[in-house]
Amino acid sequence: AQSVSQHNHHVILSEAASLELGCNYSYGGTVNLFWYVQYPGQHLQLLLKYFSGDPLVKGIKGFEAEFIKSKFSFNLRKPSVQWSDTAEYFCAVNMGNAGNMLTFGGGTRLMVKP
Amino acid sequence: DGGITQSPKYLFRKEGQNVTLSCEQNLNHDAMYWYRQDPGQGLRLIYYSQIVNDFQKGDIAEGYSVSREKKESFPLTVTSAQKNPTAFYLCASSMSDRDTDTQYFGPGTRLTVL
Repeated sequence: AQSVSQHNHHVILSEAASLELGCNYSYGGTVNLFWYVQYPGQHLQLLLKYFSGDPLVKGIKGFEAEFIKSKFSFNLRKPSVQWSDTAEYFCAVNMGNAGNMLTFGGGTRLMVKP
Repeated sequence: DGGITQSPKYLFRKEGQNVTLSCEQNLNHDAMYWYRQDPGQGLRLIYYSQIVNDFQKGDIAEGYSVSREKKESFPLTVTSAQKNPTAFYLCASSMSDRDTDTQYFGPGTRLTVL
């Protein structure tokens, strides 16, 4: 079955530390990839997305992600986190499904200590 | 103020009762979606609608029903047949059902069945 895995369920970092959140999917065809963020008490919102072209995509708030097709991965990175990055992060993949259906990973809760 | 609204924010129901969750969007989007969010499981698709008067089952449709009589509205009914209805429910919409269209999310409704 098609699935999306986020192996880090909880991450705790100090401010200014670097961040990398893993995302892997199980599908051999063409994919569209998304990272969403859910700040405490706020709507789920899009951080960045990849459809084609340069596999390194930049999003809002200094986040970036790299698509590595051979590894079926789309890891999220940020060089220096801030306390305001405390949130839950979700990777989502459209795996050739009709109707723009997304399969979400289980989410990673990031806590940044000031 | 454009966006997606969901009401109510919190909902309590007794076991065995049906309950309907509201989702309205004024973004003029054709496609709408319902997801269920449970801790550690990410978001799972319940139903989606690509256009008015049409909808399709998602991964976990059992015990739920929807209607799409108007473009801007996509209510979800949680029936008494849903075995574990307590969850956070998120509604989303996208301009169309193209797999490159970003999904935009509402604030969610937290349903607790007592």
